[in-house]
Amino acid sequence: KNEVEQSPQNLTAQEGEFITINCSYSVGISALHWLQQHPGGGIVSLFMLSSGKKKHGRLIATINIQEKHSSLHITASHPRDSAVYICAVRSYNNNDMRFGAGTRLTVKP
Amino acid sequence: DVKVTQSSRYLVKRTGEKVFLECVQDMDHENMFWYRQDPGLGLRLIYFSYDVKMKEKGDIPEGYSVSREKKERFSLILESASTNQTSMYLCASSYGGMYNEQFFGPGTRLTVL
Repeated sequence: KNEVEQSPQNLTAQEGEFITINCSYSVGISALHWLQQHPGGGIVSLFMLSSGKKKHGRLIATINIQEKHSSLHITASHPRDSAVYICAVRSYNNNDMRFGAGTRLTVKP
Repeated sequence: DVKVTQSSRYLVKRTGEKVFLECVQDMDHENMFWYRQDPGLGLRLIYFSYDVKMKEKGDIPEGYSVSREKKERFSLILESASTNQTSMYLCASSYGGMYNEQFFGPGTRLTVL
C-alpha cells in the first residue's frame, strides 16, 4: 500500500464547479505539500502545510493531522486549472518526501 | 524566481547507451534531487545530494549514478540504458533544513528503444 493515497485518480468538472481532491497518508509527517503539474511536465509548488488551512486565490488547502488527511479545494474552477495535482508528505522520521500518484483534473468550458 | 533547468525536454536513446541528464539551479540551494515519474506510481526518488560531492541513494538507485561537482549542477547518469528506464525524469532543488520546499525543473522525457 502506498504511503500517500490520493483520490480521485481522475476528475472531470465543468467550468465554475467547486473541486475537492483528497490525500490520505500513513506516516508521521513534518509537512505536507500540494504540487501542480501542467502538461509538459513542469511542477509548481502550491502549498506547504503543517497544520490548519491555507488559501491562495481560488485554492484552499486543509490538513487534519489527527486523521492524517488533507484536501485541496478549487473554487470557481477554470479550464486553465486542468493539470495533475500531487500530494507529497515529508516524513517526520527521516525527512524523506513521499509522493501520491496524482489526481488528473480536467475542467471543461 | 528560482529557476531549475534541465538539459533536454525530450531524449531518445538506444539500449546500452550511456545517458547524461543535467540539472542546473540558480538559487544556491544546498539540496538537489533526481526523481522519475511513472503513471500510477507518482514520483520516486533516485538519488539526492545535500552538498557538493555528496550523494545519497533514494528509493530506486539501481541502474543510475549521479555526480555533483559544483553546487549548482547535479547530473544523473544511466551507465547502460535499458528499456525499463523509459520515464519522465524530474530534477528538484531546495535549501537545507526540514521545511525545505522543493523547486522542480521542467522534466526530461526519456525514451529508451
